[in-house]
Amino acid sequence: QLVDSGGGLVQPGGSPRLSCETSGFAFSGHWMTWVRQAPGRGLEWVASISEDGSLKYYVDSVKGRFTISRDNAKDSLFLQMNSLRVEDTAVYYCVTGRQSFGVWGQGTLVAVSS
Amino acid sequence: DIVMTQTPLSSPVTLGQPASISCRSSQSLVHSDGNTHLSWLHQRPGQPPRLLIYKISDRAPGVPDRFSGSGAGTDFTLRISRVEAEDVGVYYCMQGKQFPLTFGGGTKVEIK
Repeated sequence: QLVDSGGGLVQPGGSPRLSCETSGFAFSGHWMTWVRQAPGRGLEWVASISEDGSLKYYVDSVKGRFTISRDNAKDSLFLQMNSLRVEDTAVYYCVTGRQSFGVWGQGTLVAVSS
Repeated sequence: DIVMTQTPLSSPVTLGQPASISCRSSQSLVHSDGNTHLSWLHQRPGQPPRLLIYKISDRAPGVPDRFSGSGAGTDFTLRISRVEAEDVGVYYCMQGKQFPLTFGGGTKVEIK
């Protein structure tokens, strides 16, 4: 089970931190990923992190602004979002895997607006 | 980047009848590990997506056998043998071969 949290209404330039609490599987043995979906739009991959956190990949539009991280001792995934833009408005999903996405969180909405 | 193109954009279907969705990638999805990392997801309105098929044709746990995937290289198809009411929503293909991971634009399936 994946439980996403940390979203809300944020001003442009804001810096929220998303969290994903996991349970029911061996978290430290899985790549983890964030996927987002803007209102009424399709799915967009945001970032992925390897099992031990040593490898991180980002979509170009968030490089240098977002940081994916994990705490294997607490079975948790994070997404630190900085310098938010209006176009970052979306539901953000925590997802297991990298080559396919087996389990999805319920999503947390980040709305960027002044 | 690998571009994923789905057709059709929308598919009105009759209950009990078959349906199919196509997905084409801009380059081969065969990975160096020998697998082809093409998956299909289904999203019902107001819900997160759910994995249906991975590695072209492997059904995820709990997915009914009326769903099947096929294809190779750059051309892939999702088939529903007999559409049920719960199958409405948007279907996405996704490539997991290389970063950036990319999705198709989605196909909306609705009942006629």
